[in-house]
Amino acid sequence: GIQVEQSPPDLILQEGANSTLRCNFSDSVNNLQWFHQNPWGQLINLFYIPSGTKQNGRLSATTVATERYSLLYISSSQTTDSGVYFCAAPRHSGGGADGLTFGKGTHLIIQP
Amino acid sequence: GAGVSQTPSNKVTEKGKYVELRCDPISGHTALYWYRQSLGQGPEFLIYFQGTGAADDSGLPNDRFFAVRPEGSVSTLKIQRTERGDSAVYLCASSANPTGSQYFGPGTRLLVL
Repeated sequence: GIQVEQSPPDLILQEGANSTLRCNFSDSVNNLQWFHQNPWGQLINLFYIPSGTKQNGRLSATTVATERYSLLYISSSQTTDSGVYFCAAPRHSGGGADGLTFGKGTHLIIQP
Repeated sequence: GAGVSQTPSNKVTEKGKYVELRCDPISGHTALYWYRQSLGQGPEFLIYFQGTGAADDSGLPNDRFFAVRPEGSVSTLKIQRTERGDSAVYLCASSANPTGSQYFGPGTRLLVL
């Protein structure tokens, strides 16, 4: 199955800083999602981005499918951005319906 | 509209007991997924339903775990003879189509004493 690796595992920043989180995946995918897990454990959808670039407010994401990586950018960080950010891809390559395989996440702490 | 809901929010049980965890997907979503998340880890896939049938149950850890979705909407994850190692957060997700974005519920925190 597809392997997903995320970096860095931990990141501590001051409020207002920018950050880039990386996700590498081991094979071609037709689905790539970024999630934010808040301190209460809720997984919040950020982006569905199998390729290309999307932006939503202070967050943006880029997936370069041919090179098997995706980046999540957070600009002007706020304390509410703290939590764990997960990248997830289908368990198997080749398209079709599938469960997701998750990376181990990036634990982001934004200090005031 | 309403998101994915899961009940109970928390469940404490004793080793050897039987538990049922319920998931209500987003209305109209045909695909439903169960995952399990242990502390400090990402969610791990358990089973996927398309309609009423289990399209892929290869993530279920053993035959003590079973899930149903009899009418193609609500799903129940059933765990028999619970073990302490079953303690985790059980997450449910749904999507409007099999390759679309998955939306997660708040999870059920299961503690087996």
